[in-house]
Amino acid sequence: KQEVTQIPAALSVPEGENLVLNCSFTDSAIYNLQWFRQDPGKGLTSLLLIQSSQREQTSGRLNASLDKSSGRSTLYIAASQPGDSATYLCAGGMNYGGSQGNLIFGKGTKLSVKP
Amino acid sequence: NAGVTQTPKFQVLKTGQSMTLQCAQDMNHEYMSWYRQDPGMGLRLIHYSVGAGITDQGEVPNGYNVSRSTTEDFPLRLLSAAPSQTSVYFCASSPDRSNYEQYFGPGTRLTVT
Repeated sequence: KQEVTQIPAALSVPEGENLVLNCSFTDSAIYNLQWFRQDPGKGLTSLLLIQSSQREQTSGRLNASLDKSSGRSTLYIAASQPGDSATYLCAGGMNYGGSQGNLIFGKGTKLSVKP
Repeated sequence: NAGVTQTPKFQVLKTGQSMTLQCAQDMNHEYMSWYRQDPGMGLRLIHYSVGAGITDQGEVPNGYNVSRSTTEDFPLRLLSAAPSQTSVYFCASSPDRSNYEQYFGPGTRLTVT
C-alpha cells in the first residue's frame, strides 16, 4: 500500500529559528511531491510542487527537496515567524488503484512558532 | 478568478438523509477530485474526474456518487447519510493530475447525527 509519513506530528520552535519538516513515501516511482499549508478551519494552500525530474524548489523563505531514491522530501523554512504557525501537509502523486498521479497525503506536521 | 468554490460551508444531516455537496472551478481545469479529512486519518481521496463525462473511484468511494457533466462542476452526492460520513470535505482541481499543483476549495464541514 502506498503511504506518506510525516515526522514529527508536532513541532514548537522560537521565532527566528530555521527548521526542517520531513516527509517520507513508499513509492519511488512518484510523479510529484506537493507541500501544502493548512490553517485551522481552513482549506489547503499549495506552497511548492516538485516534479519527479526535479530535486528542489524554492519560494521565498521556503525550500523543498525531493530524493526519490531514498523516498524522502524535506521542507526547509528559514527565519521562522509566528505567522508560519499552521499544519504542513505533504502529498505524493503516485500510482494506486490503477490510477496515475492521484495524491496520497501524509497526516501533517503541526508547527507552532513562538514569539 | 474565484478559484475553487464549495457550498455549503456547513451542513447537519440526519442519518438516512441525502444531499449534494457542490464544487465549481472557473480555471478550465480538466482534473477535479473530492477528499475527506478526518482527525488522525489525513486526507483521503473519494472520487476523481479527469474530464467531463469521466469519473473514477478513489480510496474511500463507498456511500458517495459523483458525476461530471461540465468542466466547471463536480458535485458529490451522499445517497443515505451515515454518522461515519461526518467529516470535512474538500474539492480540488488541477490542469492535470501529474504535472501541475492542485488547488483546493475552502471545504464543507458535514455532521451526520
